[in-house]
Amino acid sequence: GAGVSQSPSNKVTEKGKDVELRCDPISGHTALYWYRQSLGQGLEFLIYFQGNSAPDKSGLPSDRFSAERTGGSVSTLTIQRTQQEDSAVYLCASSTQRPSWEAFFGQGTRLTVV
Amino acid sequence: DQQVKQNSPSLSVQEGRISILNCDYTNSMFDYFLWYKKYPAEGPTFLISISSIKDKNEDGRFTVFLNKSAKHLSLHIVPSQPGDSAVYFCAATDSGGGADGLTFGKGTHLIIQP
Repeated sequence: GAGVSQSPSNKVTEKGKDVELRCDPISGHTALYWYRQSLGQGLEFLIYFQGNSAPDKSGLPSDRFSAERTGGSVSTLTIQRTQQEDSAVYLCASSTQRPSWEAFFGQGTRLTVV
Repeated sequence: DQQVKQNSPSLSVQEGRISILNCDYTNSMFDYFLWYKKYPAEGPTFLISISSIKDKNEDGRFTVFLNKSAKHLSLHIVPSQPGDSAVYFCAATDSGGGADGLTFGKGTHLIIQP
């Protein structure tokens, strides 16, 4: 596609439910990043994929968070047993290679846990 | 603790004048700095970057200055235009240290007044 695509754009879920967020990176981009932006905060780095592997998962906030990437393309971020503090905008970005800090971001998924 | 700080949550500038956005960092290992611009309901877009081997980088109306001894960088926009109204994020990384993601500030909301 022309840019990084994220779905859904908005998600409202009940506390305790699981949610799955999807990211379609720019075709050919091998590096993929997940960030989140909580209200009034900067972007917080969550996880990075090079191809299908994520060398470092320590940025994930808790063990309720997991992410995977298949075929070196689409990535999903899963949050289990959502809590209200998980409410944020989740942003995905991709780049041609690492290090390439000038990544292209998607429009984000706004998650609201009620 | 915030390693990248943008101490002005908002800034209002008259159209045609210079906009100066400031950013301070605490991690002396940071050696690559970027500015991203974000419109509402969109993902951040890369604007300009600077490596620590330089103290200035210019791209059209945008100039970034880096003062390593003060751990301070600034983004200058001259002349400011209405389309520059957005949230600007400062970001930094330790490019040689194996960092996987960027560390972002909380952002400064720039408002260009006609």
